Amino acid sequence: DVKVTQSSRYLVKRTGEKVFLECVQDMDHENMFWYRQDPGLGLRLIYFSYDVKMKEKGDIPEGYSVSREKKERFSLILESASTNQTSMYLCASSFNTRGETQYFGPGTRLLVL
Amino acid sequence: EDQVTQSPEALRLQEGESSSLNCSYTVSGLRGLFWYRQDPGKGPEFLFTLYSAGEEKEKERLKATLTKKESFLHITAPKPEDSATYLCAVHDIYKFYFGSGTKLNVKP
Repeated sequence: DVKVTQSSRYLVKRTGEKVFLECVQDMDHENMFWYRQDPGLGLRLIYFSYDVKMKEKGDIPEGYSVSREKKERFSLILESASTNQTSMYLCASSFNTRGETQYFGPGTRLLVL
Repeated sequence: EDQVTQSPEALRLQEGESSSLNCSYTVSGLRGLFWYRQDPGKGPEFLFTLYSAGEEKEKERLKATLTKKESFLHITAPKPEDSATYLCAVHDIYKFYFGSGTKLNVKP
């Protein structure tokens, strides 16, 4: 079974703090993704990575950065958290980009005060 | 322009009352269509992948079908534990597009 884990289920941070969200997959997948999910807006892609040290911007990259130093690990960084970044953050991975299924982690619910 | 549209937004069924959820898409060069189940506060759980028109997949009370323009998720004799939001996604040659989901509520 594919397993995608995320470092925290719930996080509460203050405005201006630097926030790290970590995702680990155990299936040797090439691709990893970060989404945020908000009521009425659905899933929106923040960043994705198709190889170690490679990254591509998604639809809403502003205010975020990512790091992929190892194949199994993909980190999302909020450089200076703001209240409008309060959301559910979902990590996913897939074997490759040619129509392969994305498998999701359990999600991190982030509240920025 | 929406690439993936799911309907209805919400569906309430009695236990045992079969129905279908719809996912229509407008992408060209479809590489795959995916169905997920999402429970409140959790990540989407993979259900099915369909690659070509005419393909069907089944799992317990769920059956997914695909045409050139839409996919259906048929739920036969649903139980309360089938209550969840069902998400559809399509992958064209460039990226994934997710629908906004159908929230299913099955009453005992």
